[in-house]
Amino acid sequence: ETGVTQTPRHLVMGMTNKKSLKCEQHLGHNAMYWYKQSAKKPLELMFVYNFKEQTENNSVPSRFSPECPNSSHLFLHLHTLQPEDSALYLCASSQEGTGYTEAFFGQGTRLTVV
Amino acid sequence: QQPVQSPQAVILREGEDAVINCSSSKALYSVHWYRQKHGEAPIFLMILLKGGEQKGHDKISASFNEKKQQSSLYLTASQLSYSGTYFCGTDPYGSGNTGKLIFGQGTTLQVKP
Repeated sequence: ETGVTQTPRHLVMGMTNKKSLKCEQHLGHNAMYWYKQSAKKPLELMFVYNFKEQTENNSVPSRFSPECPNSSHLFLHLHTLQPEDSALYLCASSQEGTGYTEAFFGQGTRLTVV
Repeated sequence: QQPVQSPQAVILREGEDAVINCSSSKALYSVHWYRQKHGEAPIFLMILLKGGEQKGHDKISASFNEKKQQSSLYLTASQLSYSGTYFCGTDPYGSGNTGKLIFGQGTTLQVKP
């Protein structure tokens, strides 16, 4: 596999459920990101990991919990979500610190909270 | 501070040109442009750095006016494949070497035959 892979592609969950989103990058990058894309809103940065260390938490509610066990994998653990959390969650990776870089995005997980 | 894009939407015929603008109230050090088709991942198009350096797509050009804190994306002789939503992203560190970006609200481009 190449690029950035996200699973599942679609997820429907109740407000009391616990679920996890998974992201895997096959590009050898050192940084990974979670973005949220809501309808008619811009992409919003949620979390940044660089060399497995979280370097940014963009005021995200604690019901979203990221985990980065190694530089290739990123998870977003979800619990007690609200309907307004329904959105497309995009994972991205890039090689930070070496000249200019582009972010490679996965296709996203379409989350619906009911 | 989120950059502002204009226009919000554009409809073109194949072969026509379009310009998408991105402006910021804060100093811009680098601007990244992405295109996202419906149901797909955003794809990198171009990065423009302070000082005039550029890296990106062969068939798409862009400008970066540091003084006006603006960037423009030029789509010439548009093709059907150009349809999608275009986002500009600014880099708070100004280094150009991060995927940590603040994105504009997007410009939807539709190219018709």
